[in-house]
Amino acid sequence: GAVVSQHPSRVICKSGTSVKIECRSLDFQATTMFWYRQFPKKSLMLMATSNEGSKATYEQGVEKDKFLINHASLTLSTLTVTSAHPEDSSFYICSAREGSEKLFFGSGTQLSVL
Amino acid sequence: DQQVKQNSPSLSVQEGRISILNCDYTNSMFDYFLWYKKYPAEGPTFLISISSIKDKNEDGRFTVFLNKSAKHLSLHIVPSQPGDSAVYFCAASFNDYKLSFGAGTTVTVRA
Repeated sequence: GAVVSQHPSRVICKSGTSVKIECRSLDFQATTMFWYRQFPKKSLMLMATSNEGSKATYEQGVEKDKFLINHASLTLSTLTVTSAHPEDSSFYICSAREGSEKLFFGSGTQLSVL
Repeated sequence: DQQVKQNSPSLSVQEGRISILNCDYTNSMFDYFLWYKKYPAEGPTFLISISSIKDKNEDGRFTVFLNKSAKHLSLHIVPSQPGDSAVYFCAASFNDYKLSFGAGTTVTVRA
């Protein structure tokens, strides 16, 4: 099946620094990618929808200046957590749509901000 | 506002028996429902889905039932196997394909 690669799988950073997470569709062109955030024992919360070549659409309550999303090509979307703080520590997951209703997920990134 | 709810955070079942996972939703506009399986430190993988025009979909050991009037769906796994131990997420969507997820149910299959 389709593969979505997400990198890095785990990152630890100091408060105030920025972290970039990459999401790549390896064997298909993803016109739409989604970014989710998961808190412990909570559901996956959609943060934003990323369409290739256009600005991301953010869900209510998600700060677009805090979570910068770039979808520069049909195979790559990036999420940058700017000026990270401890409350940004979470599990971030991307997913990509292959042109059908099925979504394929990356393996996730565990972000820990000290 | 949680539109998809999985009220049982965990489920323990003996190998060979049936696992039944439940999911409730509040948005009547949802027209497509999915179940995802997730192992630790991995992303969710698609398991099975059902359209709102159906009330049952079966794929091997996995069957999903949809009761639209009750806004309820369930996933049956029979027989349960040790490899089925994972977190199972229920998800729902409508036209714009954005998924709303439940909080997940951790299934443990005992040998």
